[in-house]
Amino acid sequence: KQEVTQIPAALSVPEGENLVLNCSFTDSAIYNLQWFRQDPGKGLTSLLLIQSSQREQTSGRLNASLDKSSGRSTLYIAASQPGDSATYLCAVTGGGSEKLVFGKGMKLTVNP
Amino acid sequence: NAGVTQTPKFRILKIGQSMTLQCTQDMNHNYMYWYRQDPGMGLKLIYYSVGAGITDKGEVPNGYNVSRSTTEDFPLRLELAAPSQTSVYFCASTPRGRDSQETQYFGPGTRLLVL
Repeated sequence: KQEVTQIPAALSVPEGENLVLNCSFTDSAIYNLQWFRQDPGKGLTSLLLIQSSQREQTSGRLNASLDKSSGRSTLYIAASQPGDSATYLCAVTGGGSEKLVFGKGMKLTVNP
Repeated sequence: NAGVTQTPKFRILKIGQSMTLQCTQDMNHNYMYWYRQDPGMGLKLIYYSVGAGITDKGEVPNGYNVSRSTTEDFPLRLELAAPSQTSVYFCASTPRGRDSQETQYFGPGTRLLVL
């Protein structure tokens, strides 16, 4: 059974820091990995999707990498801003399934 | 496009009552999903559908039912509400399944409280 882990559960940093958010998964037979952002009381917004054949994806200040063999992904946020404060969730699809398996998320607070 | 819409936004139910959570998408997506999110937890899949007339169970289907009579609509039914069903419910859709280059698009959620 696929399990997705995000550690730590919460992180508080001053504005301007470069951040690395970690995600690990137990079954490397994935089709893709996605990073989502969730603001309080809101739904999820997709940030980046990495196909299993890809190593990384970039969007603005965000860069996500994928290492299938080690079961890890990182989300890099450059020059963090208070507006980046949110919960970030990692999710994978795989194992012959249509289903997304989510981590519990990491709550990020960027202090001005 | 409105994307994925969900109604109601918030509902309080008494134990044993029933209700239907509505989900509609206007993007002509084949795949639709229902998730629940408990405090401090990730999302867990309740049911999903790969097209009109086809539904399948997810990780936590007990106590719920779904139907998919049209491409646009994917309602979630709670027949006998229990306190354990207190949660935030999210509906999502995507054009294709796991082979898709596109992500899942999420609705704003329905917050349900069962007392």
